[in-house]
Amino acid sequence: QKEVEQDPGPLSVPEGAIVSLNCTYSNSAFQYFMWYRQYSRKGPELLMYTYSSGNKEDGRFTAQVDKSSKYISLFIRDSQPSDSATYLCAMKTGANSKLTFGKGITLSVRP
Amino acid sequence: DSGVTQTPKHLITATGQRVTLRCSPRSGDLSVYWYQQSLDQGLQFLIQYYNGEERAKGNILERFSAQQFPDLHSELNLSSLELGDSALYFCASSAGGLGAEAFFGQGTRLTVV
Repeated sequence: QKEVEQDPGPLSVPEGAIVSLNCTYSNSAFQYFMWYRQYSRKGPELLMYTYSSGNKEDGRFTAQVDKSSKYISLFIRDSQPSDSATYLCAMKTGANSKLTFGKGITLSVRP
Repeated sequence: DSGVTQTPKHLITATGQRVTLRCSPRSGDLSVYWYQQSLDQGLQFLIQYYNGEERAKGNILERFSAQQFPDLHSELNLSSLELGDSALYFCASSAGGLGAEAFFGQGTRLTVV
């Protein structure tokens, strides 16, 4: 079993839809949780960063962490064509430790 | 722009050759991480340096090595290259403090022919 499992894709939604992206993990030592967005042929870009259970909101994006269920989610409201990218969940055990990534899901938002 | 600079952007080389990938971290960041991204494996951690010293090792082959210099830039050396080494190689840097975020460069796309 991989340490981090991410829902496989690809995912295609119409503009304006609410998107839900999910990851589960098996290592209870993970304390820091991130979502990265990666456009084609570019480096991952940090979107959201949390280190506690609960919700964190930033504009149209909400990150949710449930440590008891070992489950994290990213919600995108009012999705836009510019949100079309690959989304990667990532987690780490300590502040300066390595990131362990999910495999990523490719999202396409249709105009 | 993340502030992390990687060179070269693209590299095409033959099997058996050796290449060096370079990374300049964000100003003031002490930690540098190297990752490999392939279609089947996703993003895999290779190695981490903190202020010039190796901090952690991941799935890095013995044919690969890295170092971080006093000016904090880092180099990843890949030798005896095989076709399967073709991938995107990313460098990330972080300040190293509590909860520090990691910022990624644009990557080096290595093609081994």
